[in-house]
Amino acid sequence: NAGVTQTPKFRILKIGQSMTLQCTQDMNHNYMYWYRQDPGMGLKLIYYSVGAGITDKGEVPNGYNVSRSTTEDFPLRLELAAPSQTSVYFCASRTAELWQRGGKDTQYFGPGTRLTVL
Amino acid sequence: KNQVEQSPQSLIILEGKNCTLQCNYTVSPFSNLRWYKQDTGRGPVSLTIMTFSENTKSNGRYTATLDADTKQSSLHITASQLSDSASYICVVTSSGGSYIPTFGRGTSLIVHP
Repeated sequence: NAGVTQTPKFRILKIGQSMTLQCTQDMNHNYMYWYRQDPGMGLKLIYYSVGAGITDKGEVPNGYNVSRSTTEDFPLRLELAAPSQTSVYFCASRTAELWQRGGKDTQYFGPGTRLTVL
Repeated sequence: KNQVEQSPQSLIILEGKNCTLQCNYTVSPFSNLRWYKQDTGRGPVSLTIMTFSENTKSNGRYTATLDADTKQSSLHITASQLSDSASYICVVTSSGGSYIPTFGRGTSLIVHP
């Protein structure tokens, strides 16, 4: 298994440009997440998905959009990039079986995408 | 508001020494607490996970403790190695609502030879 893969690894955008960050997992996980990590700060949840066709907002969704047409893929779309979106973006996935029991779920993270908006 | 506070913010120790990292949380109702290790430039990797009924969990040289009454957790690293240099993140998940985890800012550990 490759686990969670993200592309690209690095990207520089100009203000107002758009781009899509790709995330793919091959573990057949139902739950997928997008986080951003700013320097010296904890990870903040942008969007998450509990299965194909279902997405929901996290703590910091403004300026982003997601879709989940398949179990494997969970792309994050940035429209009209702003300097405030300069950050490292992590995608993660987890199984659903222990969710309702509040049990020992573990998120598997991708390697991250470092985005700079100038 | 759910919050996770970690201390110290950074720590420098010599190879072979032990150290303890702290995590205090105000997440309620509590579901589970996890410690992650994040190497520079990489995504976080899970070290331990504990639910309400567990008060200690080990993973090799890493031992996590949980006191659900005082809402505190610690991560003890024994006989540190250079490869332990990383950021250690405490994550607490609430069982209320949509189970969104709350991340601490992490403790940056540097192990010197």
